[in-house]
Amino acid sequence: EVQLVESGGGLVQPGGSLRLSCAASGFTFSSYWMSWVRQAPGKGLEWVANIKQDGSEKYYVDSVKGRFTISRDNAKNSLYLQMNSLRAEDTAVYYCAREAWHLDYWGQGTLVTVSS
Amino acid sequence: QSALTQPASVSGSPGQSITISCTGTSSDVGSYNLVSWYQQHPGKAPKLMIYEGSKRPSGVSNRFSGSKSGNTASLTISGLQAEDEADYYCCSYAGSSTPWVFGGGTKLTVL
Repeated sequence: EVQLVESGGGLVQPGGSLRLSCAASGFTFSSYWMSWVRQAPGKGLEWVANIKQDGSEKYYVDSVKGRFTISRDNAKNSLYLQMNSLRAEDTAVYYCAREAWHLDYWGQGTLVTVSS
Repeated sequence: QSALTQPASVSGSPGQSITISCTGTSSDVGSYNLVSWYQQHPGKAPKLMIYEGSKRPSGVSNRFSGSKSGNTASLTISGLQAEDEADYYCCSYAGSSTPWVFGGGTKLTVL
């Protein structure tokens, strides 16, 4: 059974940093692109970033370029999102998702709240 | 990359059919046969319902179907049931640099 479990969310002040993790199981993690998708409270889904199987290609939505870094550790079956210079508008539930030319499996999400 | 356009809300009675539209551009929906649809119940993660425009994952009811014409994709739910009440999002591949663009979401109410 495919499982994706996010962790690392919490309350952080504007300008602060947070590192999200996503633990994958039930599939060959190293064979898939992976994505982070977020959802602000009461709002729709927004794709944030993705990473190729071997980590050699990474893409970001414009609003997080230069502030967020996506990475992965295939030996640990884990995906990460390092978030720096956080802003109030980054407040959202962050989901990790497996890519297969669509986003076929999603984690339960982790809430990031940016507030003073 | 702009979001895809969906109606904010649709409604229908049990047993009826409804269709949700998703309008993009020639750079996303119109260029790729990679539109997917997601169902999201309150407080839950999105669930894949349709991929590659019209394919259903294993376990998804055949009451859900998808189609595409030009720059507009559609999700049709037939034989509406109470448990279909949820938010629905379309998503399209839009090229490698900004691969995934979502619609704003449609709230389905089963009357």
